[in-house]
Order: sequence, then structure tokens, then C-alpha cells
Amino acid sequence: EAQVTQNPRYLITVTGKKLTVTCSQNMNHEYMSWYRQDPGLGLRQIYYSMNVEVTDKGDVPEGYKVSRKEKRNFPLILESPSPNQTSLYFCASRRLAGVNGELFFGEGSRLTVL
Amino acid sequence: DQQVKQNSPSLSVQEGRISILNCDYTNSMFDYFLWYKKYPAEGPTFLISISSIKDKNEDGRFTVFLNKSAKHLSLHIVPSQPGDSAVYFCAASARYGGSQGNLIFGKGTKLSVKP
Repeated sequence: EAQVTQNPRYLITVTGKKLTVTCSQNMNHEYMSWYRQDPGLGLRQIYYSMNVEVTDKGDVPEGYKVSRKEKRNFPLILESPSPNQTSLYFCASRRLAGVNGELFFGEGSRLTVL
Repeated sequence: DQQVKQNSPSLSVQEGRISILNCDYTNSMFDYFLWYKKYPAEGPTFLISISSIKDKNEDGRFTVFLNKSAKHLSLHIVPSQPGDSAVYFCAASARYGGSQGNLIFGKGTKLSVKP
């Protein structure tokens, strides 16, 4: 089944404790992206990747890092989480980069930072 | 500065009637528009899209209309069903101008369809 898989789905952590949210897609997609969803703010892009080893900042990159060492994986790293990073996170992918087209989303990872 | 705006946070309609969700955009470089539906505890799922070379696209009960001069698009759902109750996100992208096809989303409109 074609899908985007995120882990963990739910996580409660404390300020400053490094964490990684993994994202994996099995569709051989070139393009991958991370979004966060917050009440009243909709979906905002954090980082995106056009291909392996090619990443760039979205609209709200502060406090996050990403890497794209393999085509299928695009982990989101929070080096020192803070309470304002409490949010619902979505990973998404698309077959081709640099073109218009629909994104396929994962089921989301709800993160709470105390 | 919001490039994609959904000014109605919520909408309530009766089952069987038409639901109209609206979206405005400011960036004239946008050339592709999409609607996503999101249920609680699930990721957004693609619903329908339209290219800027068209003014209408239809898929079953869902129709998207694009008015480029007004920088406005709308999603019509006819007839509305209780299972359509969800948050609907409007999104836009531009292939050129440095945007590289990144999707910009609105804040969403929560649709409630009453039986």
C-alpha cells in the first residue's frame, strides 16, 4: 500500500530533550516536506527536500533541522525542543520535485513539549 | 502576510443542500490550486485541484471554480452529506518564481453537515 509513515504518532517530552520524528514513504517520491498545524494558523511549511541531499527552509524553520540521506526518509529533528514547538506535525511527499501536483500526507505526529 | 486566505473558520449546512467554501489568494504567480479534506486524527487527503488555465473542474459531487481576475476560488459540494463534515484546506502553488511547486495552505474551514 502506498503510504507516508510517521513515527511516533504521539509524544510528550520536556524542554531541551532532543527528539527526532521519522518520516518514510514507499512511493519512490522525489519531493518531501514537513508541515506543522496549529489552531487558527492552518498548515505551515517547515522544511522541504527536492531530492537526496537537497533540502531548503520553508516558512517556519526556526528550531528544526532535517536531513535527506536516502530518498525514502526525511526525518525532522528538534535539537532543543521548546513549548512553542508543541504542535501537530505532518510529513508529505510528491512524485516529482519542482512541479505542481498533489501532496500525499502522513497521519500526523502530535508533539507536546512541557 | 497570508498568501492564501480562508476567511470563514466554519460553515454549517443541512444535508442535501449545497456547501460553498471560499478561498482568496494574493500571489499572482500561483498557477495551481488544490483542496484538501482533513478528518480529526488523520492526515489531510487530496480532494480536487484546478490549473490556472481552467476556470472549473468537476469530480462527482465536488466542483472547484477559479476566478483569476478576482484571485478567488471556491469549492462546491452538492449534495452535502454528513460524511463531508471535516476541515477543508485550500492550497496554492507556483511552478515558477522560485516557489518550486511548494504548497501554501490557508487556515482551513470547518464544515459541519447536519442530518
